[in-house]
Amino acid sequence: KNQVEQSPQSLIILEGKNCTLQCNYTVSPFSNLRWYKQDTGRGPVSLTIMTFSENTKSNGRYTATLDADTKQSSLHITASQLSDSASYICVVSGPGGNEKLTFGTGTRLTIIP
Amino acid sequence: EPEVTQTPSHQVTQMGQEVILRCVPISNHLYFYWYRQILGQKVEFLVSFYNNEISEKSEIFDDQFSVERPDGSNFTLKIRSTKLEDSAMYFCASSERQGRELFFGSGTQLSVL
Repeated sequence: KNQVEQSPQSLIILEGKNCTLQCNYTVSPFSNLRWYKQDTGRGPVSLTIMTFSENTKSNGRYTATLDADTKQSSLHITASQLSDSASYICVVSGPGGNEKLTFGTGTRLTIIP
Repeated sequence: EPEVTQTPSHQVTQMGQEVILRCVPISNHLYFYWYRQILGQKVEFLVSFYNNEISEKSEIFDDQFSVERPDGSNFTLKIRSTKLEDSAMYFCASSERQGRELFFGSGTQLSVL
């Protein structure tokens, strides 16, 4: 069964610090891996999309890495800001369209001043 | 910046009543989706719509659900006879092409009493 597991479930860090969120997946075959940011009560917002041939992709202070051999991905947030407080969701796509997305349960990140 | 808009933001209904959730996808997008997220759980795919017909649906999308694109801009999800377990946040999403980045709306929080 296709699954996406994320860790930790929740994380609290001080403003200005860095953090790394983890994602392991069993989706096969694999097409792409996405990281989304979801504020409470809002829709997910795309941060990065990586195909199997990409190892890393950055979007401002967000850097995602992908190891397709071990089926692991990470999202690194640099110099965290209060506005980074949100859930971060790892989403893996099989071949085809957006119907084939498998969502993780997310990591709830809280930045404290 | 173009965005997916959903109305209403909150909907409260009695069990057995019909509800219609409305969405205006991004104007040049061709693929439209409904997802839902039960409180504390993962986002789940419901249905995809392309070229004025359903292209794929999940097992959640049973005969009580229907979708429609009544004009060139709106995309609706109808639940004919709501059940308590339909209570969830419903997200509309659209994408320009198959498998490309998804843009989500802010969601409609449906509460069935």
